Amino acid sequence: TQLLEQSPQFLSIQEGENLTVYCNSSSVFSSLQWYRQEPGEGPVLLVTVVTGGEVKKLKRLTFQFGDARKDSSLHITAAQPGDTGLYLCAGDRTGRRALTFGSGTRLQVQP
Amino acid sequence: NAGVTQTPKFQVLKTGQSMTLQCAQDMNHNSMYWYRQDPGMGLRLIYYSASEGTTDKGEVPNGYNVSRLNKREFSLRLESAAPSQTSVYFCASSSSGVSSYNEQFFGPGTRLTVL
Repeated sequence: TQLLEQSPQFLSIQEGENLTVYCNSSSVFSSLQWYRQEPGEGPVLLVTVVTGGEVKKLKRLTFQFGDARKDSSLHITAAQPGDTGLYLCAGDRTGRRALTFGSGTRLQVQP
Repeated sequence: NAGVTQTPKFQVLKTGQSMTLQCAQDMNHNSMYWYRQDPGMGLRLIYYSASEGTTDKGEVPNGYNVSRLNKREFSLRLESAAPSQTSVYFCASSSSGVSSYNEQFFGPGTRLTVL
């Protein structure tokens, strides 16, 4: 059983469309991170959210941390082919030394 | 700065063979990690090292051993490879300072196939 559930698992959209990816858990996290991974490479950190209700924007990407710090979402506006990749959320729990990763959302943006 | 480097990039083993995956970081990070990534499973932690001289088991440690050689280097050894260990292996490092949120920096991965 995954501690962090991501949905959807796969998403194929046309360039210019909007999309939202969800990361849900029954556990509380002290912080939550989003990573993007391109084929043949390691994940790269996009953002860290630490406060319940926090919203962070990174150009066309908007990240939100749930009020109870159990869930997060990633919204992409006007997706571009360069957004294609595997998006991973990862939670940091107080007292734990290692992150917990979700299973990922594979996004394909068609030109 | 190279960040996190891993060798080799690709490896094919026969069942029962042994090998060591090497990882090094030049960011002066205290913590280092080994993950495996399988389709639909995300990243699963094999072992981690919170500081030089310490190692701890992660979610899937069976069949693996690790060595934190010094602050820079953290190796992963497969003593007797099995087909179930076919995977992509990632090494990562993070700063464990007071203001850190355990944000991780990953290497490019080692693609291992066990026949």
